[in-house]
Amino acid sequence: DGGITQSPKYLFRKEGQNVTLSCEQNLNHDAMYWYRQDPGQGLRLIYYSQIVNDFQKGDIAEGYSVSREKKESFPLTVTSAQKNPTAFYLCASSMLAGEVEQFFGPGTRLTVL
Amino acid sequence: GENVEQHPSTLSVQEGDSAVIKCTYSDSASNYFPWYKQELGKRPQLIIDIRSNVGEKKDQRIAVTLNKTAKHFSLHITETQPEDSAVYFCAASDAGGTSYGKLTFGQGTILTVHP
Repeated sequence: DGGITQSPKYLFRKEGQNVTLSCEQNLNHDAMYWYRQDPGQGLRLIYYSQIVNDFQKGDIAEGYSVSREKKESFPLTVTSAQKNPTAFYLCASSMLAGEVEQFFGPGTRLTVL
Repeated sequence: GENVEQHPSTLSVQEGDSAVIKCTYSDSASNYFPWYKQELGKRPQLIIDIRSNVGEKKDQRIAVTLNKTAKHFSLHITETQPEDSAVYFCAASDAGGTSYGKLTFGQGTILTVHP
């Protein structure tokens, strides 16, 4: 289970606030991903990055932003533009985009108060 | 883009029985099909995967079959045990292709194994 970490485990946000979720990996993986998990909907891709300083929108990028300044780190910001942000957020990484197994972090549960 | 449908959404079996979960995909370019198991409150973990150049793969009590013509693949768990109870997700990707290997997930199946 080690190698990819997320913090915090639980996060509470007031409406109108931006919050940033942390994702760090020490697996020397090139690719990193952010997913959102809602009950009954599986995992939906928010953003992904194959290399440092480059990232691509996934299927539900609206209201989210990311950065990839370091290979090890891929933080996700949930902005006030995201109208329904309460969900379980999972970060993942893989050696090469799509070729091999994606390893997931433990997740962050975000609740909007 | 790719669309993955997974059935059933819930599955209840007795210990020792077999369980089968089925997924269909829409993009004929997809060539990598992993299955993930997620226990309550935990992270998803890969349990088995298959690539489009093979039709079946086994790992102890778990097997996956792939029918490229029909665009469907299935997870088979034999001799189920209570610890198999979890949510199972299928996924599809065109590894190395134009979508940069993005995984598209099915909606998940809640498997409950009764002792």
